[in-house]
Amino acid sequence: SQTIHQWPATLVQPVGSPLSLECTVEGTSNPNLYWYRQAAGRGLQLLFYSVGIGQISSEVPQNLSASRPQDRQFILSSKKLLLSDSGFYLCAWSVGTYGYTFGSGTRLTVV
Amino acid sequence: SQKIEQNSEALNIQEGKTATLTCNYTNYSPAYLQWYRQDPGRGPVFLLLIRENEKEKRKERLKVTFDTTLKQSLFHITASQPADSATYLCALFTGNQFYFGTGTSLTVIP
Repeated sequence: SQTIHQWPATLVQPVGSPLSLECTVEGTSNPNLYWYRQAAGRGLQLLFYSVGIGQISSEVPQNLSASRPQDRQFILSSKKLLLSDSGFYLCAWSVGTYGYTFGSGTRLTVV
Repeated sequence: SQKIEQNSEALNIQEGKTATLTCNYTNYSPAYLQWYRQDPGRGPVFLLLIRENEKEKRKERLKVTFDTTLKQSLFHITASQPADSATYLCALFTGNQFYFGTGTSLTVIP
């Protein structure tokens, strides 16, 4: 069966520090992978999506970047975190255009 | 501008009643629409998908309708239970990506 792993679950980082969030998928090949951010009381905002290794599309200009070094691995990074980067980060995958499967999320607090 | 609006306020209902959640959209032409459930501190979980040429879709106690003329989807939970308490999100797929609403918080009171 397909599973998605996302870690860490919570993270508290100082302003200006780097960030690396990792997401891996098991049980499927060539998935579409997504990074979303959910701010309190707001909808899910698509940050990046990838349809294949090394292929990254950015939806929102920001302080973040994404990479897909392997077929089932998706990484969200930042060189220097801002207070506004705080939020709930979700990785998701899909095959075709059916429903997303989301990871359990990372609660990031930038202090 | 494009907008997706869900019930602006939290919904509280008695156990056993039918909960009805709304999703209204403007300036989208979705190929299909989905509903997700999200529990606090967790990622959304996919529940149902309904295509633009379908009027209604059912799954156990869940029913979704999709009216492309009204630009609205209704999500019903019949015989609601306290375990149904969660936030419910609608999402539109326009052929390029998904757009999510902000969600409706549902509380089922025993």
